[in-house]
Amino acid sequence: RKEVEQDPGPFNVPEGATVAFNCTYSNSASQSFFWYRQDCRKEPKLLMSVYSSGNEDGRFTAQLNRASQYISLLIRDSKLSDSATYLCVPRENNDMRFGAGTRLTVKP
Amino acid sequence: DARVTQTPRHKVTEMGQEVTMRCQPILGHNTVFWYRQTMMQGLELLAYFRNRAPLDDSGMPKDRFSAEMPDATLATLKIQPSEPRDSAVYFCASAYDRGRSNQPQHFGDGTRLSIL
Repeated sequence: RKEVEQDPGPFNVPEGATVAFNCTYSNSASQSFFWYRQDCRKEPKLLMSVYSSGNEDGRFTAQLNRASQYISLLIRDSKLSDSATYLCVPRENNDMRFGAGTRLTVKP
Repeated sequence: DARVTQTPRHKVTEMGQEVTMRCQPILGHNTVFWYRQTMMQGLELLAYFRNRAPLDDSGMPKDRFSAEMPDATLATLKIQPSEPRDSAVYFCASAYDRGRSNQPQHFGDGTRLSIL
């Protein structure tokens, strides 16, 4: 079993759609959690941290369920510029484990 | 915005040659990471340093790879001798970490390495 498992995608959605990504992690000692996005042939960039109570940043909402070892990302009113690969990243101390990512394509 | 700087951006060389990749972390960051990304394996952690000391290099093939931090502004990843299976994008990332901090890592643009 992989340490971090994500929806494989690809997700192809029209502009304005709401899309949700799921992620499960196996390391129960993970202390902090992040979502990164990676554009084609670019470096991963931090999208948002994920807090235990859930958090929102504009159109993006992240949820964490420690008991189920599950993280989610919801994107509302998706834009063309949201097209990217989204990486789920649980972290224990300095050990960040990147998921394989979920590819999202937002179409006009 | 402060950025992690990696050089070279691209490297094409023949197998058997030595390859050296360099990384300048964000000023003030005390933790530096080296990752490798391929289509098949995704992002893999190779090694990381805190305050210039190597903390974990278990992800790195020891026989041909070496990572160092000669000073706080420079990290290097060396492959000698290189092999075609080393072809990948190598990312450096840095963070300011106080132990159990949840500070995220900031990535450089990566070095695209092709070994022929």
